[in-house]
Amino acid sequence: QKEVEQDPGPLSVPEGAIVSLNCTYSNSAFQYFMWYRQYSRKGPELLMYTYSSGNKEDGRFTAQVDKSSKYISLFIRDSQPSDSATYLCAMGAAGNKLTFGGGTRVLVKP
Amino acid sequence: DTGVSQDPRHKITKRGQNVTFRCDPISEHNHLYWYRQTLGQGPEFLTYFQNEAQLEKSRLLSDRFSAERPKGSFSTLEIQRTEQGDSAMYLCASSPRGLGGNQPQHFGDGTRLSIL
Repeated sequence: QKEVEQDPGPLSVPEGAIVSLNCTYSNSAFQYFMWYRQYSRKGPELLMYTYSSGNKEDGRFTAQVDKSSKYISLFIRDSQPSDSATYLCAMGAAGNKLTFGGGTRVLVKP
Repeated sequence: DTGVSQDPRHKITKRGQNVTFRCDPISEHNHLYWYRQTLGQGPEFLTYFQNEAQLEKSRLLSDRFSAERPKGSFSTLEIQRTEQGDSAMYLCASSPRGLGGNQPQHFGDGTRLSIL
């Protein structure tokens, strides 16, 4: 079993819809959580970073962390075709390496 | 743009050859990381530097792989005697010094390695 599980998708939504993404994890040592967006042939781009349970909002993006359930989510409101990409969750413990999920492909159709 | 810079963007080589990649982190970021990403997967950690010291290495980093960060600035990742299985995207990331530990990591656009 992988430490971080993420549905690979693809997830297809119409423009303007809410995109809902999630990851589950098994390592209770994970303390901080990130979401990255990755376009084809590009590196991951940091979207959200949090280290506590609860919600964090930044523009159209909301990240949720539930440490008791070992479950994190990312919501994208008012989705645009430019949001079509692969979304990666990543987690870290006391050390410095990140452990990534496998990524979810998202397609926002005009 | 003052993001993480990686060179070359794409490297094609024959099996058995040696290759070297370069990473220039964001200025004043003292933490530097290398990851490997294969198609359809998330990045996997390879190694970590704090300044010039290599503090952690993954078991994925076989003895054919070596990484350096002289003077705590840019870093190089060398793969000797390349194998088909080395074909992947090699990503570099950096993060600033942080109070109490971890800061978010910022990635470059990677070097795509293709082994013929």
